[in-house]
Amino acid sequence: GENVEQHPSTLSVQEGDSAVIKCTYSDSASNYFPWYKQELGKRPQLIIDIRSNVGEKKDQRIAVTLNKTAKHFSLHITETQPEDSAVYFCAAPRRDSNYQLIWGAGTKLIIKP
Amino acid sequence: KAGVTQTPRYLIKTRGQQVTLSCSPISGHRSVSWYQQTPGQGLQFLFEYFSETQRNKGNFPGRFSGRQFSNSRSEMNVSTLELGDSALYLCASSLSGQHTEAFFGQGTRLTVV
Repeated sequence: GENVEQHPSTLSVQEGDSAVIKCTYSDSASNYFPWYKQELGKRPQLIIDIRSNVGEKKDQRIAVTLNKTAKHFSLHITETQPEDSAVYFCAAPRRDSNYQLIWGAGTKLIIKP
Repeated sequence: KAGVTQTPRYLIKTRGQQVTLSCSPISGHRSVSWYQQTPGQGLQFLFEYFSETQRNKGNFPGRFSGRQFSNSRSEMNVSTLELGDSALYLCASSLSGQHTEAFFGQGTRLTVV
């Protein structure tokens, strides 16, 4: 069946280092890939998204890369800061419906001071 | 403009009871999706409504139902509550539901005892 696999489930990095979270999707027709951040006790919020007509998108310290051949996309956070500590979710559209997203299980990112 | 509002924020119910949760989307947003979030389980899709029609439904039992009103406000109902229904229920609104940013409410924390 369709699914989005997200790895790792937990990631601990030193403040100032980079963090990379990877998601793999199953449907080659998927064309929209958002990333959401959920801080402890708060609602998920979109931080960046990418469409299948581009291979990379950047927004300050955050970037997302897309490899359509391998069917995976990754979130890169550089120069990590304490406020980056959160759970990050990736998502991709369901095969037969662009209105429903299939979500990864989430990655808990811990920034060590 | 006002964000997505969910009421109530917290609920405690007894097994076998039923519950209704409410979601008021951002003004102008016509798509409302509902999710169940439990620790370690990520975001599990319940259903999505657009212009009072259910467009998508997740893999939840028939005890979970929803509806959307002409003003785009949405409700979800859970009948015959079970202990396993204890979770954070999040709704998200977007302009069209397709490849557009989803704005989440703060959620309703449901505890079934």
